[in-house]
Amino acid sequence: DIQLTQSPSFLSASVGDRVTITCRASQGISTYLNWYQQKPGKAPELLIYGASALQSGVPSRFSGSGSGTEFTLTISSLQPEDFATYYCQQLNSYPRGFTFGPGTKVDIK
Amino acid sequence: QVQLVQSGAEVKKPGASVKVSCKASGYTFSSDDINWVRQATGQGLEWMGWMNPNSGNTGYAQKFQGRVTMTRNTSISTAYMELSSLRSADTAVYYCARGTLLPKGPYNHYVLDVWGQGTTVTVSS
Repeated sequence: DIQLTQSPSFLSASVGDRVTITCRASQGISTYLNWYQQKPGKAPELLIYGASALQSGVPSRFSGSGSGTEFTLTISSLQPEDFATYYCQQLNSYPRGFTFGPGTKVDIK
Repeated sequence: QVQLVQSGAEVKKPGASVKVSCKASGYTFSSDDINWVRQATGQGLEWMGWMNPNSGNTGYAQKFQGRVTMTRNTSISTAYMELSSLRSADTAVYYCARGTLLPKGPYNHYVLDVWGQGTTVTVSS
């Protein structure tokens, strides 16, 4: 199975900061990589799919890039509502199933 | 609007089973998969399996093979996840999520785009 790692696991940032989170896959996955945001006590929400496509309704300050084994999620100007945990996720084609990264918690400095 | 509404919290004893429901509305239930994902307190997301409501076909994560069963009742647009032989390590919030394909260029990408609110399952003697 393909494994995903994320770095950092925790970051402290201020409103207005530019934030970058990295997700690495143990083998190449083209651009089959999605990003989710989860706020405390809430279900995750889809932010980015296909490594770089913005899900409908997601603010444009979020962007994704990468292919193969290295991917990044960038928040161009951190807003108060962005303090949350972010997970990358990929789909194994066979046997079909999802793998999530361990998560990156973004906290207020 | 498209939504998934899950059943309420459950408290079970070790060795028992739990069955969580997930009612879909706002879209054609049979047109998209339902996936189940769980999250223990303070931990990450763990995918459990998927079900196609149209065919009833399922696929389970190896970790849960033999203990999990995913079913549906299409007449009431509801999916179910039953987990048996519960142990304390199964204490978690269980989410259902719609699995669908979103287009990007010439390819489609499978995503979990709509999530239920979560059901807390507590396993305790």
